[in-house]
Amino acid sequence: EDQVTQSPEALRLQEGESSSLNCSYTVSGLRGLFWYRQDPGKGPEFLFTLYSAGEEKEKERLKATLTKKESFLHITAPKPEDSATYLCAVNPIDTGNQFYFGTGTSLTVIP
Amino acid sequence: DTAVSQTPKYLVTQMGNDKSIKCEQNLGHDTMYWYKQDSKKFLKIMFSYNNKELIINETVPNRFSPKSPDKAHLNLHINSLELGDSAVYFCASSQANGGVQYFGPGTRLLVL
Repeated sequence: EDQVTQSPEALRLQEGESSSLNCSYTVSGLRGLFWYRQDPGKGPEFLFTLYSAGEEKEKERLKATLTKKESFLHITAPKPEDSATYLCAVNPIDTGNQFYFGTGTSLTVIP
Repeated sequence: DTAVSQTPKYLVTQMGNDKSIKCEQNLGHDTMYWYKQDSKKFLKIMFSYNNKELIINETVPNRFSPKSPDKAHLNLHINSLELGDSAVYFCASSQANGGVQYFGPGTRLLVL
């Protein structure tokens, strides 16, 4: 069964303290893996798409990487404005338009 | 300029009522979706429409019916609302099947 698991559920960091969020997935084949950021009371906002193992994408303090079984979202020297819930989603290759989301990691960055 | 908009933002109603949520996108995308996000922030896809055609329909009760008058709009009608329907409902759109999805701001539904 296709599944997406994110860890940790919650993460508290001091400003400037780098860390990584994990997204593990089990699908028969991966068409794409997506990272989103969700602020309280708002809809998810797109961050990155990764398609194949070894691929990396960067944006400001965020860097996403992909292996055959998991993806990491690395946050370098985070700032308080990076506080949000980070969601991972997979689009399996043989399911057309199906997307499976993880339950997210709630990140709090303390000044 | 809002890309994906939803109305209403909040909806409080009694059990047994029928309600609709409207969604519009001005991105020119071909595919639109409805998601339900529960209290634990878990997002689950409910429906997907591509060029006005339903292409997936997860195990959603038939009390929920999506209606797409044109490719820029996807409305969600809910009959006989139940307590368990309380959640945040998000509309999204993408350029193509499996593409990046752009989400609306959500509709917070509370069934009393």
